[in-house]
Amino acid sequence: SYELTQPPSVSVSPGQTARITCSGDALPTQYAYWYQQKPGQAPVVIIYKDTERPSGIPERFSGSSSGTTVTLTISGVQAEDEADYYCQSPDSGDTYGVVFGGGTKLTVL
Amino acid sequence: EVQLVESGGGLVQPGGSLRLSCAASGFIFSSYEMNWVRQAPGKGLEWVSYISGSGDTIYYADPVKGRFTVSRDNAKNSLYLQMNSVRAEDTAVYYCARPPMTREIWFDPWGQGTLVNVSS
Repeated sequence: SYELTQPPSVSVSPGQTARITCSGDALPTQYAYWYQQKPGQAPVVIIYKDTERPSGIPERFSGSSSGTTVTLTISGVQAEDEADYYCQSPDSGDTYGVVFGGGTKLTVL
Repeated sequence: EVQLVESGGGLVQPGGSLRLSCAASGFIFSSYEMNWVRQAPGKGLEWVSYISGSGDTIYYADPVKGRFTVSRDNAKNSLYLQMNSVRAEDTAVYYCARPPMTREIWFDPWGQGTLVNVSS
């Protein structure tokens, strides 16, 4: 079945730039979405359709896409950005399906 | 304000059954597809099921196919997940989630989740 691959963890110091990648064979033809999840809370979408940012999401969050890899970039990381981040894409099969990446734990040092 | 509130979680023995509910408010419920997504303790997100606005189109992830049944009551603005023959690996927080617009395959908003614990 279709898979999205993320690094398990990324660590950065406050003020630095964090980049979280997500790789999948269908990403050149399917949009990707990014969710932030803090402990005990439901996920919240922070990037949709590869690069779009919902209203209310800080400008330091951005998304990009290149071939089979999409990247979430957090510029000027703040302590409050420490969370789990998940990419998501529609399944590449014939019927409806949804695939999530395994998640990346962002640690702010 | 759009709101999704899950309920019905709890402790259930392996092989048992449980029915989850999701109460929706703040939008025209019948106009939106709905999904269930789960998260095992300490693990990632896993899509479980989809139901169209009218309820006539349904999809399931392979791990729950034949055991779980999704349904909705548009008159009551409610989504359901009937879980039968549950297994230890079904232990998870179950979220109901709505796409921001019809025909979109991403989720915003999500409910707060309800915990299902399958254990003897």
